[in-house]
Amino acid sequence: DGGITQSPKYLFRKEGQNVTLSCEQNLNHDAMYWYRQDPGQGLRLIYYSQIVNDFQKGDIAEGYSVSREKKESFPLTVTSAQKNPTAFYLCASSYAARRANVLTFGAGSRLTVL
Amino acid sequence: ELKVEQNPLFLSMQEGKNYTIYCNYSTTSDRLYWYRQDPGKSLESLFVLLSNGAVKQEGRLMASLDTKARLSTLHITAAVHDLSATYFCAVDMRGNTGKLIFGQGTTLQVKP
Repeated sequence: DGGITQSPKYLFRKEGQNVTLSCEQNLNHDAMYWYRQDPGQGLRLIYYSQIVNDFQKGDIAEGYSVSREKKESFPLTVTSAQKNPTAFYLCASSYAARRANVLTFGAGSRLTVL
Repeated sequence: ELKVEQNPLFLSMQEGKNYTIYCNYSTTSDRLYWYRQDPGKSLESLFVLLSNGAVKQEGRLMASLDTKARLSTLHITAAVHDLSATYFCAVDMRGNTGKLIFGQGTTLQVKP
């Protein structure tokens, strides 16, 4: 079955460490996204990519980095520069050229800083 | 900058009652989406509204879009406990930039 796989589901990080969250999709979608969700809040866009080897900053890109070397993969690195990284991270994907930009979401990765 | 605001943010209601969630957005767009999120889970797509006056219905939920007022509504008819979840609206920036902006979410609690 097609879908988006995020790993790990839970991750603990010590302050000062970089961590990388994996996101893989087999839906043949062109575009991929990373959102951050804090308790009781909506989703905020971190980065998005509409084609391979290209990505744009979202509203809260500081302290994060991404790469898009393959169509299927869009990993997110949370760097030590991100001051408050504890959150629920959601990866999503969609067809870029269609009229309706309906996102399919992964199950999420919950990051906790110790 | 596109802003998307939902109200109310929290809604507690009795089974069998009707209610409406509102989604306002700040700049021109004719593409609006509704998603549902169960606690601790991911988001699933509910409705896609692509033109002024669009109306979509699925079971006890009905969504509509007024692009002139920059307003979408999600109407709940005769609520049941299974509808308890957080509902998000999201708006596409015009020009298909790929940037989807979400509202804060409305947490719906339906009591027996």
